Amino acid sequence: NAGVTQTPKFQVLKTGQSMTLQCAQDMNHEYMSWYRQDPGMGLRLIHYSVGAGITDQGEVPNGYNVSRSTTEDFPLRLLSAAPSQTSVYFCASARYGTSTDTQYFGPGTRLTVL
Amino acid sequence: QQQVKQSPQSLIVQKGGISIINCAYENTAFDYFPWYQQFPGKGPALLIAIRPDVSEKKEGRFTISFNKSAKQFSLHIMDSQPGDSATYFCAAFGGNAGGTSYGKLTFGQGTILTVHP
Repeated sequence: NAGVTQTPKFQVLKTGQSMTLQCAQDMNHEYMSWYRQDPGMGLRLIHYSVGAGITDQGEVPNGYNVSRSTTEDFPLRLLSAAPSQTSVYFCASARYGTSTDTQYFGPGTRLTVL
Repeated sequence: QQQVKQSPQSLIVQKGGISIINCAYENTAFDYFPWYQQFPGKGPALLIAIRPDVSEKKEGRFTISFNKSAKQFSLHIMDSQPGDSATYFCAAFGGNAGGTSYGKLTFGQGTILTVHP
């Protein structure tokens, strides 16, 4: 049981490039989400999904796309990278996403946009 | 708009001392308040959580105190140890159905705790 896995661990992009951050979980969780962590800002929700085929926007969705074709995977796409997207990105999953469901976080992807 | 405000930003405590981190929230519809612990290079992990219908929850050396009328809650770490050195985040869950915070975790800014031996 690997929990929540994220790839890559580190990535450097040039402004305007696109890329996909991968997230997978093997706990059969319905709820998955993406956060970004910036110094002094805590973690901010980008997008989330309550099941395959269902996604919704979080607090800071601009510049990011998601899709959820399977229960296990929830990739995050950066369409045209900008320096403001330099951050650490965390994927999380939970059984259903209700309040008492523990959210399990992956190890993070550190992204630098030059 | 920062719906959950956390203080202090950083905290230095001697081994054996008490660490106290405070959070305040604005949305009275929040219905669950977890604390997360994050070690360098790792993702956050749930430490302890409380519902607003209780005023205190204790798990080992970690205690949450909750003041619903003041919309404040705090984490107390008793007998702090060097291994407790980490970043701590308070969070709030829930909100009005259909509102901007429903079904989502809203995090505080984080507190970097350093426990000196």
